[in-house]
Amino acid sequence: DGGITQSPKYLFRKEGQNVTLSCEQNLNHDAMYWYRQDPGQGLRLIYYSQIVNDFQKGDIAEGYSVSREKKESFPLTVTSAQKNPTAFYLCASSIMDYWGGYTFGSGTRLTVV
Amino acid sequence: SQQGEEDPQALSIQEGENATMNCSYKTSINNLQWYRQNSGRGLVHLILIRSNEREKHSGRLRVTLDTSKKSSSLLITASRAADTASYFCATDAGNQFYFGTGTSLTVIP
Repeated sequence: DGGITQSPKYLFRKEGQNVTLSCEQNLNHDAMYWYRQDPGQGLRLIYYSQIVNDFQKGDIAEGYSVSREKKESFPLTVTSAQKNPTAFYLCASSIMDYWGGYTFGSGTRLTVV
Repeated sequence: SQQGEEDPQALSIQEGENATMNCSYKTSINNLQWYRQNSGRGLVHLILIRSNEREKHSGRLRVTLDTSKKSSSLLITASRAADTASYFCATDAGNQFYFGTGTSLTVIP
């Protein structure tokens, strides 16, 4: 079945640590996105990529980094520079004209301990 | 910002009733989408309406768009307990969509 797989489902980070969230899709979508969702709030865009080896910052990119070495994969690293990383992180993908909407993964819940 | 705002923030209805939620946005759009999110899960795409369309239907869902008022509404008819979720509108801005803060819908059996 086609879809987006995010892993892990739950992740715990110690202060000062970098952690990487995985996002893999087998939908042959060109565009991929990372969103952050805080309780009771909407989604805020962290980074997006429309093509391999290229990505753009979203509204809240500070403290995060991404790579897009393969079309299928768009990992997100939460660095120690991100002072408030506890949140629910969602990865999504789409074809370039959006008509099918975004396909979302099931999310990773990151908690700082 | 381009972000849409849903209204109401929370809605509680009895099973079988209709549920209406609204989305307002600030700037001109090409498309508007509605998504559903069950607690702790990813979002699921429900419907997309283009700026030149006024109404679209999909099963029990009816979406309207009024570009002059910069607003959209999502109507869920004959609601079911399984419709309990948060509903988000998303408006396009070039290469991405901006999501609103959502309406939390509770359908009481």
